[in-house]
Amino acid sequence: GEDVEQSLFLSVREGDSSVINCTYTDSSSTYLYWYKQEPGAGLQLLTYIFSNMDMKQDQRLTVLLNKKDKHLSLRIADTQTGDSAIYFCAVTDSWGKLQFGAGTQVVVTP
Amino acid sequence: GAVVSQHPSWVICKSGTSVKIECRSLDFQATTMFWYRQFPKQSLMLMATSNEGSKATYEQGVEKDKFLINHASLTLSTLTVTSAHPEDSSFYICSARASTGDYSPLHFGNGTRLTVT
Repeated sequence: GEDVEQSLFLSVREGDSSVINCTYTDSSSTYLYWYKQEPGAGLQLLTYIFSNMDMKQDQRLTVLLNKKDKHLSLRIADTQTGDSAIYFCAVTDSWGKLQFGAGTQVVVTP
Repeated sequence: GAVVSQHPSWVICKSGTSVKIECRSLDFQATTMFWYRQFPKQSLMLMATSNEGSKATYEQGVEKDKFLINHASLTLSTLTVTSAHPEDSSFYICSARASTGDYSPLHFGNGTRLTVT
C-alpha cells in the first residue's frame, strides 16, 4: 500500500519561510494534496498538484513535486502566526483512495 | 463553494447509547462521502466510503454493525455509532468530493468530537 511520510514538527519565526516535506511510495499517485488542520477543526484544503506538474504557486503557497524522488513539499512564504497548525500531505493511491501522512505540526514564533 | 457541514461539533454520551453524526454537502451534490476517524496527534484513518443509494464500503477492521452509515440523499450521509463504549471516543470527520472522478479534491467537515463516558 501507499506510505506517506512527513516530519512531525517544524518551528519557524514569524516572517520567515516554512518548508514542509513529504515523501510517498506509490509512483502512480495522480493528485497530491496539502491540507491544514487547526485545533479541534476539520481539514482545510490548501492546495493540490497534478502529477504532471513540477510546481504550483498560489499566493504565499508554493508546492514542489519531484516525481522521480517521490518528494512533495509545501513552502509558505512570510509565515504568520495564523499559519500555526498541523499540515497533512495526502496522495491518491492506486485504488483512488486518499492516503494521509501523519501530519507536520508547524509552530510559528514571534 | 464546496462546503461540507458536520453536526454536532461535539457530543458526550453514556456507554451503551447510540450517537448519530450528520454530514451534509451544502452547495454541491455528493454521490460519495467518506468517514474518517482521527486519534489524538495522529493522522486520519478511513473508516468507510458512503455511497448514495447503496451500502457503504467499510475498510478492513471497521465493524459495519458498530458504525452504521446511511447515505439516503445526494447531500446527506449519517454515521451512527451504536452501543458506544469509551474506546469509541474519538474525532470523526466526514468528507466529500464536489465533482465526479476519483481524483478531485476532498472537502472536509469540521469534525465531531465524541466522548463516551
